[in-house]
Amino acid sequence: ETGVTQTPRHLVMGMTNKKSLKCEQHLGHNAMYWYKQSAKKPLELMFVYNFKEQTENNSVPSRFSPECPNSSHLFLHLHTLQPEDSALYLCASSQENYEESGDTQYFGPGTRLTVL
Amino acid sequence: EDQVTQSPEALRLQEGESSSLNCSYTVSGLRGLFWYRQDPGKGPEFLFTLYSAGEEKEKERLKATLTKKESFLHITAPKPEDSATYLCAGAGGSNYKLTFGKGTLLTVNP
Repeated sequence: ETGVTQTPRHLVMGMTNKKSLKCEQHLGHNAMYWYKQSAKKPLELMFVYNFKEQTENNSVPSRFSPECPNSSHLFLHLHTLQPEDSALYLCASSQENYEESGDTQYFGPGTRLTVL
Repeated sequence: EDQVTQSPEALRLQEGESSSLNCSYTVSGLRGLFWYRQDPGKGPEFLFTLYSAGEEKEKERLKATLTKKESFLHITAPKPEDSATYLCAGAGGSNYKLTFGKGTLLTVNP
C-alpha cells in the first residue's frame, strides 16, 4: 500500500452517463495529480493541484472535470465520455518543497474505466 | 519539449541472467530522474529517485545510475518476481510535471 487509495477500481459506463472517480491520500502531501494511462502510450498528465489550487490543466477535454475540496481528496467527474476515453486513470500525490528538487510522486492503484 | 525514451520496449531474460534497461532523456533543468515498477492492472510503484549525474542507488537486485543524458536500471540475477513494466520519468523546470517514457516490459523466465 502506498497511502493513496482510489475508488472504484473498475468502472463501466455508457457515453451518456455521469460518474465520478475518487482519490484519497493519507501521506500528508500537498500536491495531487490525475494521469491517464492508455495501452502503448506514456502516462499522460491531466491535472495538477497544489494546496487545493489547480496549477495545470494539460489540454484536457471539458468532459473531464476535476475537483479538489482539500489537500487529501481529489475527484474526477466524468460526463458524456467517448470510447477512446477508456483507460487506466491514476491518481498520485507528492510533497512539493520549493527548496528541494525532484519530489517523488506516489501512485494509487488506478481505476480501470471502460466506456461503451 | 521534454522527452524520455526507454529501450528496449520488451526484454525477456532467463532467471539469473543479468541485464540493463536504458532511459534516455532530454529534460530541461532536470530536478530528478525517477524509476517506477508497474505490475499489470496496478499503479506504478516507486523505486528510485536520482538527482545528479554520477549518482547511484541500489535496492535488492536493482541498481539505478544516472549520467547527463541517460539512466540505466541494472538488474542482477533477476528472479521471475522481477517481471513487470519498468517506467522512467524526468522532472524538470519549476513545475511539478513528470515526463514519462513508454516503459520496458521485463519478463523473467524460471
